[in-house]
Order: sequence, then structure tokens, then C-alpha cells
Amino acid sequence: DGGITQSPKYLFRKEGQNVTLSCEQNLNHDAMYWYRQDPGQGLRLIYYSQIVNDFQKGDIAEGYSVSREKKESFPLTVTSAQKNPTAFYLCASSLTGTGNTEAFFGQGTRLTVV
Amino acid sequence: QKEVEQNSGPLSVPEGAIASLNCTYSDRVSQSFFWYRQYSGKSPELIMSIYSNGDKEDGRFTAQLNKASQYVSLLIRDSQPSDSATYLCAVNTPSGTYKYIFGTGTRLKVLA
Repeated sequence: DGGITQSPKYLFRKEGQNVTLSCEQNLNHDAMYWYRQDPGQGLRLIYYSQIVNDFQKGDIAEGYSVSREKKESFPLTVTSAQKNPTAFYLCASSLTGTGNTEAFFGQGTRLTVV
Repeated sequence: QKEVEQNSGPLSVPEGAIASLNCTYSDRVSQSFFWYRQYSGKSPELIMSIYSNGDKEDGRFTAQLNKASQYVSLLIRDSQPSDSATYLCAVNTPSGTYKYIFGTGTRLKVLA
């Protein structure tokens, strides 16, 4: 089945820890995105990548880091610098990074700070 | 800051009625428009995309786009309780960086 796989589904982080969220796609899409969703809020863009080995900061990149070493993979690290990381994290991909193609989402990772 | 605005709702409609969801956007050069459905606790699911002025129909769903008025809407005919969800409008705008800007969503409740 083609699609976007995020793991884990649930993640618990202690204060001061870095954690990495996985996102893998087998759709042969060039562009990938990370969004954060807080309860009752819209989606806010953290980082996006239009092509392998290149990525750009979104609107709320502080405290997060990404890499794009392979076309299929776009992991997100939530660092200890992110002061309020509890949220629902969504990875998406689209065929191109031009903005004229549809974006599809993974199932999401719910991160909770304990 | 480019914006996409939606009424948060909830919009309540009886089963079998037409639900009308609206979205306005601020960037005149926006080219691509998308509607997503998001059930509580789940990720967004793409329903429809629309790129040209006018109507686009897909089953019970019709997307309407009016670029002059910077307005896009989604009509759901014969609404079912299973349509109860939050509907997100997304706009992609080529304002230097290509990315999707999402509205905060309209919560729809279809009453049986």
C-alpha cells in the first residue's frame, strides 16, 4: 500500500529530552512537510522540504530540527529547546513542491511531555 | 501574513440536508485550494481540490471557487451523521515559498 507512515503513534517525553518522530513515504513525492496541531487550533508549519538534501523553516521552527537525506524520509527532532512540545504532529507529502499538487497526511504522532 | 479564515462553528444540520462550509483567503495570487476532513483525534483526509473558478463535483461533495471574491466553499449534499467532523480549508500560495496555509476549520455536526 502506498502512503505515509508516522511512528510512533504516541510518544512521551521527559523534560530536557530530545525525541525524534519518524515520517516515511512510498509515494515517490518530492516534497514533505511537518505540521503541529494544538487542541482546537489549525495546522502550523514547522519545516518543509521540496527536495532531498534541502529544507526550509516554517512558521514555528524554533526548538525543532529536521533532515532530508533520503527522498522517502523526513524525520523531525523535538529538542529540549522547545518549551511547549505537547501537541499532535502531522507529516505530509506532495508530489511536487510547487504548491499545485495535493498534500496527503500520515496518521500523526501525539507527543506528551511528562 | 497570508491568512485563511473559516467560521469555527459548530455548524449543525439535520440528516439529509445540505451543509455549506465557507472559507476566505487573503492572498490574491493563490492558485490551489483544498478541503480536508478531520475526525476527532485523527489526521486530515483530503476530500477535494479545486484550481479553477466555478464548481467541481465529486459524489455528494461540491467545491466552489471564486477567485475574484477570494472565496472557496464546500457543499455536502444529503448530509449523514458520519460527515460530522472538522473541515479544514487549505490554500497554497506561491508567495516566495510554496506551502499550504490551513484555516482553523469548521466543525460540522449532522443531527440524526
